[in-house]
Amino acid sequence: EDKVVQSPLSLVVHEGDTVTLNCSYEVTNFRSLLWYKQEKKAPTFLFMLTSSGIEKKSGRLSSILDKKELFSILNITATQTGDSAIYLCAATGANTDKLIFGTGTRLQVFP
Amino acid sequence: DVKVTQSSRYLVKRTGEKVFLECVQDMDHENMFWYRQDPGLGLRLIYFSYDVKMKEKGDIPEGYSVSREKKERFSLILESASTNQTSMYLCASSIRQEAFFGQGTRLTVV
Repeated sequence: EDKVVQSPLSLVVHEGDTVTLNCSYEVTNFRSLLWYKQEKKAPTFLFMLTSSGIEKKSGRLSSILDKKELFSILNITATQTGDSAIYLCAATGANTDKLIFGTGTRLQVFP
Repeated sequence: DVKVTQSSRYLVKRTGEKVFLECVQDMDHENMFWYRQDPGLGLRLIYFSYDVKMKEKGDIPEGYSVSREKKERFSLILESASTNQTSMYLCASSIRQEAFFGQGTRLTVV
């Protein structure tokens, strides 16, 4: 059965800290891994990764995929209170756009 | 700007009622999905659709059905609502694997 596992489930940090969120996957004919940020409403897209070793970066957020070890990490540097959210990781398999989600990591950033 | 709209933000229904959750997207996407989100369980796929009148079961289809008569609209139906269907329901549409989500419907069944 396909699955995606995220860790930690919850994380509490102070502003300015750097955090690393983990996502491992077991998906038949893996095609892509996606990261989403969910605040109070709809999840919003952050990154899509399809190739190993190529870092994707957007401001203080970056992510990388390791297809040999079947995991991805999401890094957030110099965290701010606005980074507080649930971060969701999802994977897709070949010939389908169906997203398989992990349980998410709840990040809380305190001033 | 892409848009996925769910008909209600909050709903309260009684046990045994038939419940309709509506979702409309304006991006001409072929793929549409219904998920439910519960604490500690993440997003779980209920049903998805790759085309008009086409549907496939997800991981937890029991107690639900769907309808897709038009490309832009994907409806989730709870035939006889039960308290264990109290949850946040998220609709999404996708193209090239990137999914766009609606704002969610928080359904409470009493």
